[in-house]
Amino acid sequence: EAGVVQSPRYKIIEKKQPVAFWCNPISGHNTLYWYLQNLGQGPELLIRYENEEAVDDSQLPKDRFSAERLKGVDSTLKIQPAELGDSAVYLCASSRGLAGDADTQYFGPGTRLTVL
Amino acid sequence: AQSVTQLDSQVPVFEEAPVELRCNYSSSVSVYLFWYVQYPNQGLQLLLKYLSGSTLVESINGFEAEFNKSQTSFHLRKPSVHISDTAEYFCAASGGYNKLIFGAGTRLAVHP
Repeated sequence: EAGVVQSPRYKIIEKKQPVAFWCNPISGHNTLYWYLQNLGQGPELLIRYENEEAVDDSQLPKDRFSAERLKGVDSTLKIQPAELGDSAVYLCASSRGLAGDADTQYFGPGTRLTVL
Repeated sequence: AQSVTQLDSQVPVFEEAPVELRCNYSSSVSVYLFWYVQYPNQGLQLLLKYLSGSTLVESINGFEAEFNKSQTSFHLRKPSVHISDTAEYFCAASGGYNKLIFGAGTRLAVHP
């Protein structure tokens, strides 16, 4: 079974430029998550999707960040415009969508963004 | 606020020695607890989890963790580490609605 796929793995851009990250979850997983991982810290949730609906986007900086999961499968996270402080690893995870908090999340390898 | 605290940012240890990575959680979070491992340039992989039942949980590669409700801890242990165990380890708690709250991570460095 293929794991969570993310692309690109690395991205270097100049500040004020736009950038997009793509994620394909494990087949059959209804729930998809985007996390931000700053250097030396644990991941922090940005947004969670149940199928195509964003059910928790409270931590997503909506002035510059946007995300979509139009068909309830793969997802795109966008930053426009990027700032120096956005340099981090962006992780995507998916889970089956089981009720309660016992739903195990499976993570992709992440996209390392460097903003110059 | 809900939180997970990993008490050591780095743990150096010699090969074949025992190791303990400490994790404490705030009592307000759900009692579902997880340990994830992140090898260099890879994503997080689930190592083990506590959902209910026996307070001692084990992984397939020799790690174990014990849920201690009175001390609000979920420390990770291995009796004898290998060079290949060198990685970053993250403790996490489920904060409701499948929201994972992660600690800052502990970097385990195993030396020959």
